[in-house]
Amino acid sequence: AQSVSQHNHHVILSEAASLELGCNYSYGGTVNLFWYVQYPGQHLQLLLKYFSGDPLVKGIKGFEAEFIKSKFSFNLRKPSVQWSDTAEYFCAVKGSGANNLFFGTGTRLTVIP
Amino acid sequence: GAVVSQHPSWVICKSGTSVKIECRSLDFQATTMFWYRQFPKQSLMLMATSNEGSKATYEQGVEKDKFLINHASLTLSTLTVTSAHPEDSSFYICSARLGPNTEAFFGQGTRLTVV
Repeated sequence: AQSVSQHNHHVILSEAASLELGCNYSYGGTVNLFWYVQYPGQHLQLLLKYFSGDPLVKGIKGFEAEFIKSKFSFNLRKPSVQWSDTAEYFCAVKGSGANNLFFGTGTRLTVIP
Repeated sequence: GAVVSQHPSWVICKSGTSVKIECRSLDFQATTMFWYRQFPKQSLMLMATSNEGSKATYEQGVEKDKFLINHASLTLSTLTVTSAHPEDSSFYICSARLGPNTEAFFGQGTRLTVV
């Protein structure tokens, strides 16, 4: 069965600290991978996505993620966080060509000014 | 990016009544839309896949008679929570995709409170 695991439930960082949020998935086949962000009171927005090609994907607002197929991982990184990055981050996976998108439980990031 | 709009943003209803939530793709046509439910401090759980012109596909454990889905046009899907109970109180989110290998766009969600 498909599943997505985000091991960090709540991360608290000071501004300018580096960020890495873990995401591991279980899926038997070719996958498409996503990171979404949900700012307080707002809807989900796409940060970045991986379909194929370069496993290091760069997204908006300085975020990047690396797909490591052998580890079934798609960790999100940002070298220097800002207070405005405070939000809930969701990793999601779907089978290539499939419709269903499966989400992880989310990681709440709090950035302290 | 494409815009998906949900209405209403929040609704309070009495136990036993029905509530309809609309999901519209504003600037694109979506043959497939998705309905999710999000409990507090939990992830989004896919409830059903809404297919234009045909029956919705429900995930295991989701009561199709309780959560009625209609996808009458390429830009509108509706979710009706029938005979609502307090345990149905939740955040309901819809999404739509341009195609099978494209990103999903999400509505702003509807917070349902059943009293």
